[in-house]
Amino acid sequence: AQSVSQHNHHVILSEAASLELGCNYSYGGTVNLFWYVQYPGQHLQLLLKYFSGDPLVKGIKGFEAEFIKSKFSFNLRKPSVQWSDTAEYFCAVRGPYGSGNTGKLIFGQGTTLQVKP
Amino acid sequence: GAGVSQSPSNKVTEKGKDVELRCDPISGHTALYWYRQRLGQGLEFLIYFQGNSAPDKSGLPSDRFSAERTGESVSTLTIQRTQQEDSAVYLCASSPTGYTDTQYFGPGTRLTVL
Repeated sequence: AQSVSQHNHHVILSEAASLELGCNYSYGGTVNLFWYVQYPGQHLQLLLKYFSGDPLVKGIKGFEAEFIKSKFSFNLRKPSVQWSDTAEYFCAVRGPYGSGNTGKLIFGQGTTLQVKP
Repeated sequence: GAGVSQSPSNKVTEKGKDVELRCDPISGHTALYWYRQRLGQGLEFLIYFQGNSAPDKSGLPSDRFSAERTGESVSTLTIQRTQQEDSAVYLCASSPTGYTDTQYFGPGTRLTVL
């Protein structure tokens, strides 16, 4: 069965620190990968996604993620976090188009990031 | 246009009662998904609609859960004989056509079963 594992449940950083949130998935085929973010009091929104091509993808607000197929990983990074990055971050995967896949997303359990000003 | 909306935002009910949760997708979006998020966990897929048909119901946890959708608009998730383990945030997402599109999420309905 498909699953997604996020290694860090709660991360506390000071402003300007670098961020890396781990995400590993288990799926024996081509996948699409996503990071979603939920800011306090707001809806879940897409941060970035990977479908194919360059394994280093850039998203909104200076975030990027690298797809490493051999490690089944899609870690999220940001060189310098801001207080406004305080939020919950979710990694998600979906299987390839076809084979009955309907686009449903499989989510990790989430990582709460707290950035101290 | 307007985003995905859900109602009610909060629902408190007693064990054994039925509840209905509503989702209004973005206008024109044919695909609609329901997810559930229990405390401290990630989102779990429940059901997928394409138009008013549900080709994937694989995530519904029991026959107490059902959902319907009217055309390409409103969807209702019904939980019968609620149990305490049904307490969660229920999220709805829509996308323009389905698989290849970004899913846009609503604010969720927080269900508490006493």
